[in-house]
Amino acid sequence: NAGVTQTPKFQVLKTGQSMTLQCAQDMNHNSMYWYRQDPGMGLRLIYYSASEGTTDKGEVPNGYNVSRLNKREFSLRLESAAPSQTSVYFCASGLGQPQHFGDGTRLSIL
Amino acid sequence: QKEVEQNSGPLSVPEGAIASLNCTYSDRGSQSFFWYRQYSGKSPELIMSIYSNGDKEDGRFTAQLNKASQYVSLLIRDSQPSDSATYLCAPRAGAGSYQLTFGKGTKLSVIP
Repeated sequence: NAGVTQTPKFQVLKTGQSMTLQCAQDMNHNSMYWYRQDPGMGLRLIYYSASEGTTDKGEVPNGYNVSRLNKREFSLRLESAAPSQTSVYFCASGLGQPQHFGDGTRLSIL
Repeated sequence: QKEVEQNSGPLSVPEGAIASLNCTYSDRGSQSFFWYRQYSGKSPELIMSIYSNGDKEDGRFTAQLNKASQYVSLLIRDSQPSDSATYLCAPRAGAGSYQLTFGKGTKLSVIP
């Protein structure tokens, strides 16, 4: 039972490059979330998906897009990476609130 | 702007003592409250939830909620070194909302 799996674990990008962070859960949860965590800022919600087929903006959605591919998978895309997007990104899933988090993706934008 | 305030710590307690972690929140519409534990370099783990005023106990953990005072706390009895972590408070606004507002966390250090 893997829980919530995020890939990649680490990534370094140059400003302007694009990339997609992948997340998959095997707990049959309806809701999935993407957070970023920065020193001194706490966890901030980027986007969430209450159920398959729906996505909604969170607190800090600018510069990101998401896709809820199916019930298991929820991806986060940076179209044109900026240094301000350097952060640790966590995917989570749950039944109405984030219950299980992935191990995180440490992303650096140069 | 919804605000969640936690003392950043570090809060140091001796092994076996009670650790008391406090959280205040600004959104009076908050209905549900969650506590997460995050070890250094790891992802958060959900450890407690509380929905009604009063106390809720789960093993060595007790969550306390006072909606009138907009205050929620987490007590850890018989603290162990393995409890050393950052504890995040997260109220959820309104029934049916999927959005939690996380506090910046209190770092707890349990001294053997």
